[in-house]
Amino acid sequence: QVQLQQWGAGLLKPSETLSLTCAVYGGSFSAYYWSWIRQPPGKGLEWIGEINDSGNTNYNPSLKSRLTISVDTSKNQFSLKLTSVTAADTAVYYCARGSNWLDPWGQGSLVTVSS
Amino acid sequence: EIVLTQSPATLSLSPGERATLSCRASQSVSSYLAWYQQKPGQSPRLLIYDTSNRATGIPARFSGSGSGTDFTLTISSLEPEDFAVYYCLQRSNWPPYTFGQGTKLQIK
Repeated sequence: QVQLQQWGAGLLKPSETLSLTCAVYGGSFSAYYWSWIRQPPGKGLEWIGEINDSGNTNYNPSLKSRLTISVDTSKNQFSLKLTSVTAADTAVYYCARGSNWLDPWGQGSLVTVSS
Repeated sequence: EIVLTQSPATLSLSPGERATLSCRASQSVSSYLAWYQQKPGQSPRLLIYDTSNRATGIPARFSGSGSGTDFTLTISSLEPEDFAVYYCLQRSNWPPYTFGQGTKLQIK
């Protein structure tokens, strides 16, 4: 059974870089895309982007200019970096397995941007 | 980008009642639509994929239907644990995935 565990800094100042990592345990890491999704407090879900084991990425156009998603196949991990954060980037960030549907999901990481 | 519009925004029902949630797409997504349930403080959970297929472990009271632009999630008889927020998701025009804005199902 695939499980995703994520971690990263929870409090950032405006203009800093958000950095999160998601580790995949159990199941196959290859042959899937791996996604990041976020949810501002009290609001809906927004898909951020994805990567596969070959390093091929797809990004949400609304975030593309600030976004980098990378993969470390030796550790079955993938990472998110979002530069120049503002208060609007405050959200719970989730990782998830993709390719078909987003399932399963990690536990979520609250990232707060505040001066 | 395909926009998904869910209705109603909030649905107030009692346990044992039937719930009908709607998701409408701005253009056809064929059958590439899924439904998720999210409870407070939890990650979303996949309920239904490809319009009408229940995910592993999902009770039979949950069912999905529709095609093209209009989709429905039906909960035949509400249990107390079903009160949550429900999201639809499309992957027809992917990337990007797009979500609906959610329907909150609350106890009446």
